[in-house]
Amino acid sequence: AQKVTQAQTEISVVEKEDVTLDCVYETRDTTYYLFWYKQPPSGELVFLIRRNSFDEQNEISGRYSWNFQKSTSSFNFTITASQVVDSAVYFCALLITGTASKLTFGTGTRLQVTL
Amino acid sequence: DAGVIQSPRHEVTEMGQEVTLRCKPISGHDYLFWYRQTMMRGLELLIYFNNNVPIDDSGMPEDRFSAKMPNASFSTLKIQPSEPRDSAVYFCASSIGGGHEQFFGPGTRLTVL
Repeated sequence: AQKVTQAQTEISVVEKEDVTLDCVYETRDTTYYLFWYKQPPSGELVFLIRRNSFDEQNEISGRYSWNFQKSTSSFNFTITASQVVDSAVYFCALLITGTASKLTFGTGTRLQVTL
Repeated sequence: DAGVIQSPRHEVTEMGQEVTLRCKPISGHDYLFWYRQTMMRGLELLIYFNNNVPIDDSGMPEDRFSAKMPNASFSTLKIQPSEPRDSAVYFCASSIGGGHEQFFGPGTRLTVL
């Protein structure tokens, strides 16, 4: 069975601080995809990134960066120079390819960025 | 391009009533997913369709829940009869292919009194 663990329930930082959100996943499959979604206070779920299991290259997009390490089954998300608008719940998710297309979500990490 | 459209955005009903939630996926997407989000259980996949055909409904809580996709641009999730424990935010999502990012609608907040 698949599982995604986001051990950090809630994180509070002051604006301009860097913050890393942890994600650890479990699967026996060798082919899978990892995702991060953002859920701002307005409630919608916004796609941030998709990474396949064969691509361990780290990715940077503006202030966002992702570190994928298969050796530790982790897919961590870092926000550099956080801003108040980054305040949201962030979900990590795992998708096993093949006959199923089920996204397994972690429980989310609530990030609060204050001035 | 319009994203995933859901209606209604909010629904308040009384226990025992029938509730129908609606979803219009992004044009050209061949996968459609229904999720439920609660504080206790987080985000759960209820059912998903591929090319309008239900593929996996193992997440549907019980027989009170049913979902249909009569065509590529419309899907419904029906709860009959509704119960207070069905109160949640229901999301519809769509994707191109099964392994690609899913784009979510704004959700329907359902309150069953």
